[in-house]
Amino acid sequence: AQSVTQPDIHITVSEGASLELRCNYSYGATPYLFWYVQSPGQGLQLLLKYFSGDTLVQGIKGFEAEFKRSQSSFNLRKPSVHWSDAAEYFCAVDRGSTLGRLYFGRGTQLTVWP
Amino acid sequence: EAQVTQNPRYLITVTGKKLTVTCSQNMNHEYMSWYRQDPGLGLRQIYYSMNVEVTDKGDVPEGYKVSRKEKRNFPLILESPSPNQTSLYFCASSQSEGATDTQYFGPGTRLTVL
Repeated sequence: AQSVTQPDIHITVSEGASLELRCNYSYGATPYLFWYVQSPGQGLQLLLKYFSGDTLVQGIKGFEAEFKRSQSSFNLRKPSVHWSDAAEYFCAVDRGSTLGRLYFGRGTQLTVWP
Repeated sequence: EAQVTQNPRYLITVTGKKLTVTCSQNMNHEYMSWYRQDPGLGLRQIYYSMNVEVTDKGDVPEGYKVSRKEKRNFPLILESPSPNQTSLYFCASSQSEGATDTQYFGPGTRLTVL
């Protein structure tokens, strides 16, 4: 069963537009939540993470994400997208008892129009 | 510079020909793991290691072997590769298996098995 769901396979936005990438998880307890970005030919880079506390977390490159327990969601946002943000984005969870194993969503490919 | 390196970056081979993909980290991390990335499936963990001489299976270990004789190295071995092992492989490392420790990913190895 899919534990982490990213419903959008591909999103296209214009440069300067706002962005929201969706992520839902299906665990009963609150897991540890992550967003990674993968640029073409590159490895994965951590954008931000949520463990506890403030449900709005800030990350690198101007990204933020909000954890909503009632919706089991951890959506990634950016108010103004730059052409360099074009990449694939992965949501991931660590259930806290899986010995470091991250469970990834299938990814969302972001295209940015100039 | 702190990094995880993988070699080779690209490999085309034939069914049954043993191969090894190397992974090395220079951060003195205890935890290392291997993932494979397939379209529409995100990343799935193959094997992990919590320290030297301590390894265990992840979610998709069939057809793979690993070893951890030194802290910095964690090679992935395919004794008899098959076409269904054609994939993009990532090595990752972190200070420990704890969810609060950021995992750092290598640049990936794209393997094609003919």
